[in-house]
Amino acid sequence: DAKTTQPTSMDCAEGRAANLPCNHSTISGNEYVYWYRQIHSQGPQYIIHGLKNNETNEMASLIITEDRKSSTLILPHATLRDTAVYYCIVIMDKVIFGPGTSLSVIP
Amino acid sequence: DAGVIQSPRHEVTEMGQEVTLRCKPISGHNSLFWYRQTMMRGLELLIYFNNNVPIDDSGMPEDRFSAKMPNASFSTLKIQPSEPRDSAVYFCASSSQILTSTDTQYFGPGTRLTVL
Repeated sequence: DAKTTQPTSMDCAEGRAANLPCNHSTISGNEYVYWYRQIHSQGPQYIIHGLKNNETNEMASLIITEDRKSSTLILPHATLRDTAVYYCIVIMDKVIFGPGTSLSVIP
Repeated sequence: DAGVIQSPRHEVTEMGQEVTLRCKPISGHNSLFWYRQTMMRGLELLIYFNNNVPIDDSGMPEDRFSAKMPNASFSTLKIQPSEPRDSAVYFCASSSQILTSTDTQYFGPGTRLTVL
């Protein structure tokens, strides 16, 4: 399974867009990119996933580079409730969670 | 839908005791996953089932850990005997995948286990 690299932590001002990067340079052609987040003391929550094309849902947008070696999760208008650890996962046949990015949304 | 249900939410026990954690997946989901989360090791996949059959148990730390899924609506994770290093939050998740683990997983609220 491909490994991912994410910054350990990030800050974002409330109301601004939060852009969370993820590197997955060893991704193979049939591996999906998934994003989950974990708010303190809760179970991880699914956000979005994609294979090649950019994706958008009610929570976020996922931008995947053309070579698929990196992606960015975009929270368009971050709120205090978006403070969480965000996990970027590349999946073939097993979910492996890395340390993720701890996002702090600041008032 | 009630989501994934786990019980108990908190468990405090003494070293050497048997601990049983329970999970009810989302109705209609045919895959179930058990994870363990600690500060040191993060979120680790212990075992997953597909159609009640264990598919991959390579993450189970040792023989003291066992998991069963007797039917589509219930699973248990048992630790016998428990040790202080088993203290962690244990999550159960389910998904509606058919063959692989690529489908979206829905997590329960977790069971916080403390072994004294």
